[in-house]
Amino acid sequence: DSGVTQTPKHLITATGQRVTLRCSPRSGDLSVYWYQQSLDQGLQFLIQYYNGEERAKGNILERFSAQQFPDLHSELNLSSLELGDSALYFCASSVGSGGLNQPQHFGDGTRLSIL
Amino acid sequence: AQKITQTQPGMFVQEKEAVTLDCTYDTSDQSYGLFWYKQPSSGEMIFLIYQGSYDEQNATEGRYSLNFQKARKSANLVISASQLGDSAMYFCAMREGAGNQFYFGTGTSLTVIP
Repeated sequence: DSGVTQTPKHLITATGQRVTLRCSPRSGDLSVYWYQQSLDQGLQFLIQYYNGEERAKGNILERFSAQQFPDLHSELNLSSLELGDSALYFCASSVGSGGLNQPQHFGDGTRLSIL
Repeated sequence: AQKITQTQPGMFVQEKEAVTLDCTYDTSDQSYGLFWYKQPSSGEMIFLIYQGSYDEQNATEGRYSLNFQKARKSANLVISASQLGDSAMYFCAMREGAGNQFYFGTGTSLTVIP
C-alpha cells in the first residue's frame, strides 16, 4: 500500500461527458502528479501541483484541468470526453516539489472507460 | 529523441535465475535521477530503486540492483533469484535536474517461468 488513495477505481461514461477523478496523497507529501497510461501512448505525465500551486505541466489537453486543495487532495477534471480518453489515470505524490532523489509513490489508478 | 528507451518489450526468466532489464536514457543535464517501477497485472505502480547521477556506487535494494554506466547512459535493472511474483511490467524513469517532469520508458514485460 503506497498510501496514495484514488477514487473511483473504475469509471464508465459516454462521449461528451465530464468526470472528476480524486486523489489523496500520502500523509506528509506536498506534491501531487497526474499521469495517463494508455496502450498506445504509454505513461504520460499530465500535471504537477505542489502545496496548492501548479508546478509543472506536461501533455495535458485543454479539456483537462486539475487543482490541489488546501487539504492537499487533488482532483483531475476531464470534460468533453472522447473515446481516446479511455485510459488508466494515476495520481502520484512526493514529499517535496521535485528533488532528484524523491521517488513518486503511485495510487492504484482510476480506470476510465468511454463508451 | 526519447528520453528513456527500453528496448526489450518482453523477457522470460527461469525461477531463481537472475535477469537484467535494459534502460538507456538521454539527457544533457549533469544532475538527474533514475528510477525503476514495477507494475503487476493488478495495475498499481510500485517504486523499486533509485540511482542519482552523482552516486558513485550502484544502488541496491534487496534482490534489486541497478547497473549504472554513466558514460553509456544506461541504468539496467538486475533482479536476482527471480520469483514468480516478479512477473510484471517494469518501467524505467528519469527526472532531470532542470525540470519537474518524470519521463517513463515504454516498459518491459517480465515473465518468470517455474
